[in-house]
Amino acid sequence: GAVVSQHPSRVICKSGTSVKIECRSLDFQATTMFWYRQFPKQSLMLMATSNEGSKATYEQGVEKDKFLINHASLTLSTLTVTSAHPEDSSFYICSATRQGAKDTQYFGPGTRLTVL
Amino acid sequence: AQSVAQPEDQVNVAEGNPLTVKCTYSVSGNPYLFWYVQYPNRGLQFLLKYITGDNLVKGSYGFEAEFNKSQTSFHLKKPSALVSDSALYFCAHMEYGNKLVFGAGTILRVKS
Repeated sequence: GAVVSQHPSRVICKSGTSVKIECRSLDFQATTMFWYRQFPKQSLMLMATSNEGSKATYEQGVEKDKFLINHASLTLSTLTVTSAHPEDSSFYICSATRQGAKDTQYFGPGTRLTVL
Repeated sequence: AQSVAQPEDQVNVAEGNPLTVKCTYSVSGNPYLFWYVQYPNRGLQFLLKYITGDNLVKGSYGFEAEFNKSQTSFHLKKPSALVSDSALYFCAHMEYGNKLVFGAGTILRVKS
């Protein structure tokens, strides 16, 4: 149990376009989802916290208008990178917590974004 | 600022030998500490956590970690390393709002 999926696993796009990444909890309801960004050979940096039905809370330095997060249901959160630029190329990872066990995050497999 | 530190970028160990991956913390109040493992181009997998209770925490895949308050450490250990344990290991602390703050990560290489 506690499986989190991400789609797509890998995406290449042109500079200036927008890309949507989906994060789904497959076998549980996720009260909270988190979005992280990981640069090569570096640690994960939290971008935002998303609660179902409410606006995401962004970490300092993360542009909310550039990284749009929607958490429309208890099993789905989306991250849209708007007007992507090469510096947005990164590995994006989501995680989710389940009701009654908020201290354990279950991570998705990640999405590799490459902006040309 | 509250943080965790992983002093070693990389740890090398021979298969069958015990392994230790170090983590120290700087946290006010009670620390909530975690270990995660990441295989190449994949998300993180939960290994174990310390919230309260016994200082020795047992986790997945034969790993364990010891919470040491006097040394502010939470080192990850395994009695006998496997080549398949080779991966990137992250120590993390959970802050208010269930947000995880990760250490820089330690690459573990187990050689046969």
